[in-house]
Amino acid sequence: QKEVEQNSGPLSVPEGAIASLNCTYSDRGSQSFFWYRQYSGKSPELIMSIYSNGDKEDGRFTAQLNKASQYVSLLIRDSQPSDSATYLCAVNMMDSSYKLIFGSGTRLLVRP
Amino acid sequence: NAGVTQTPKFQVLKTGQSMTLQCAQDMNHNSMYWYRQDPGMGLRLIYYSASEGTTDKGEVPNGYNVSRLNKREFSLRLESAAPSQTSVYFCASTPSGANVLTFGAGSRLTVL
Repeated sequence: QKEVEQNSGPLSVPEGAIASLNCTYSDRGSQSFFWYRQYSGKSPELIMSIYSNGDKEDGRFTAQLNKASQYVSLLIRDSQPSDSATYLCAVNMMDSSYKLIFGSGTRLLVRP
Repeated sequence: NAGVTQTPKFQVLKTGQSMTLQCAQDMNHNSMYWYRQDPGMGLRLIYYSASEGTTDKGEVPNGYNVSRLNKREFSLRLESAAPSQTSVYFCASTPSGANVLTFGAGSRLTVL
């Protein structure tokens, strides 16, 4: 079992819809959770970070964390074609807070 | 402010050759990372350095060595390259701990 799991997609949504991206992790001691966006041929860039259970909103993006279920999600409201990218979930590991493990990423396609 | 600089950007090696990927950051960050990215595999952690003078193995350390030369520089060495090491390599840094990563532009390595 991978330590951080994501559905590879592609997830295809129409412009203006809500895109929901999911991530599960295996380490119950994980404390820090991140969502990165990566355009094709580019480096990953941070979208959201979340550390406590519940929701965290930033513009059109909402991160949701449920530590009991070991589940973190990213909602993108009013999806735009420019949101088409691969979204990577990253989680720190309990054996070292410095050890950041990424999932394999979910490819999102927003249809105009 | 250059951020994280990786060299070279592209490299072609023959099986058995050695090479070193260089990474330097000018943000006074304490922690530095090397990841590799293969199609459909997301980012996999090779080695990380929590602070100057320390290095630790990540998920896929076999076939690689690292050196944290000083606070700014973190190099990745392939002693005897293999085709399985064909990948895009990303260096990243963060102020400390499981925090926001700043990535370099990536180094594309092909081993024939």
